[in-house]
Amino acid sequence: AQSVTQLGSHVSVSEGALVLLRCNYSSSVPPYLFWYVQYPNQGLQLLLKYTTGATLVKGINGFEAEFKKSETSFHLTKPSAHMSDAAEYFCAVSDQGFQKLVFGTGTRLLVSP
Amino acid sequence: KAGVTQTPRYLIKTRGQQVTLSCSPISGHRSVSWYQQTPGQGLQFLFEYFSETQRNKGNFPGRFSGRQFSNSRSEMNVSTLELGDSALYLCASSLATGGRDTIYFGEGSWLTVV
Repeated sequence: AQSVTQLGSHVSVSEGALVLLRCNYSSSVPPYLFWYVQYPNQGLQLLLKYTTGATLVKGINGFEAEFKKSETSFHLTKPSAHMSDAAEYFCAVSDQGFQKLVFGTGTRLLVSP
Repeated sequence: KAGVTQTPRYLIKTRGQQVTLSCSPISGHRSVSWYQQTPGQGLQFLFEYFSETQRNKGNFPGRFSGRQFSNSRSEMNVSTLELGDSALYLCASSLATGGRDTIYFGEGSWLTVV
């Protein structure tokens, strides 16, 4: 069965600092990997996804993630945090061909001025 | 292009009652899936429908059911509500051309069971 582990339920950074949110996956087949963001009282918005091809994936709002098969990781980064980045971030994995996402437990990003 | 639309956004029900939640997918999307989000269990997959057929089902009791109509709109129903069913229910849609599809989520329906 597929699974995702997000290290750190809360991450605090200062505005302008590097954002690093960690995600490790477990999958018996080549995975499709996603990062979603959830703002308070809202649904999930896709930040970026990896399916095949280039392992460095660029997403919206300046975020990017790198698929590292040898480390079974898909960490999310942003060079410079902005106050508006404060939200909860979810890493997810799906089976190829299936419309089912398995989510991690989420990481709440706090950005201080 | 309109996003995934869910109604109602907020509702309060009493234990033992039943509830029906509605979801209109993005135009052209044929797959609709449902997720439950709670503080304790996080985001959990309920089921997925494609062409009016349930293709995938999560590990939830039979009180949770759903259906999809010919226009791809979907409803989910929870019967005999329990306090633990209080959650944010998220509907998502995709083109269903394979696992690499982007799955788009609605704003969710907040259900409180009292």
